[in-house]
Amino acid sequence: GENVEQHPSTLSVQEGDSAVIKCTYSDSASNYFPWYKQELGKRPQLIIDIRSNVGEKKDQRIAVTLNKTAKHFSLHITETQPEDSAVYFCAASKRGGGADGLTFGKGTHLIIQP
Amino acid sequence: NAGVTQTPKFQVLKTGQSMTLQCAQDMNHEYMSWYRQDPGMGLRLIHYSVGAGITDQGEVPNGYNVSRSTTEDFPLRLLSAAPSQTSVYFCASSYLGADTQYFGPGTRLTVL
Repeated sequence: GENVEQHPSTLSVQEGDSAVIKCTYSDSASNYFPWYKQELGKRPQLIIDIRSNVGEKKDQRIAVTLNKTAKHFSLHITETQPEDSAVYFCAASKRGGGADGLTFGKGTHLIIQP
Repeated sequence: NAGVTQTPKFQVLKTGQSMTLQCAQDMNHEYMSWYRQDPGMGLRLIHYSVGAGITDQGEVPNGYNVSRSTTEDFPLRLLSAAPSQTSVYFCASSYLGADTQYFGPGTRLTVL
């Protein structure tokens, strides 16, 4: 089955700096890659996603890049703010959405230092 | 719309007891899934369903049963609870052909 590795497990950055979280996946048939943000005690919330026919996608301060050949994708957050502090999860799926479920990475705890 | 709802919010069981975690959605979503979240482990897929009457196993299905008799509901049954099933359980749903999964608020289960 699919295996998703996520690094780093903890990332501390100064407010205003950029943060990058990286994930690799093992199954070349995967073609949907979402990123979720989870605050303490809350449910995961989708923040951005990308399909394998696209190399990069942006939404204001966040962006995701995908390298299909290398089987890795990354989350980029620019101009970080205190409210960006949370745990971020990457995931992968062959068919997208709930059609076959998501395989998640183990998460990155992002800490924004004031 | 209430979205995805889960009951109960918290539950404590003794080893060997059975119970059902409830999940319901009012968005007419065809796809529904169950995940468990353990510290440092991310979320792991237990079972999923692409429509009423259709279910399939995910990564960690042992010890859990599901059925999908209606589009709205997707209950998760623990037949004989074990301490290893102590976890936070999330239900998620999405439209047919759409990518975005909507998660419920979760159920925190402790098995003693």
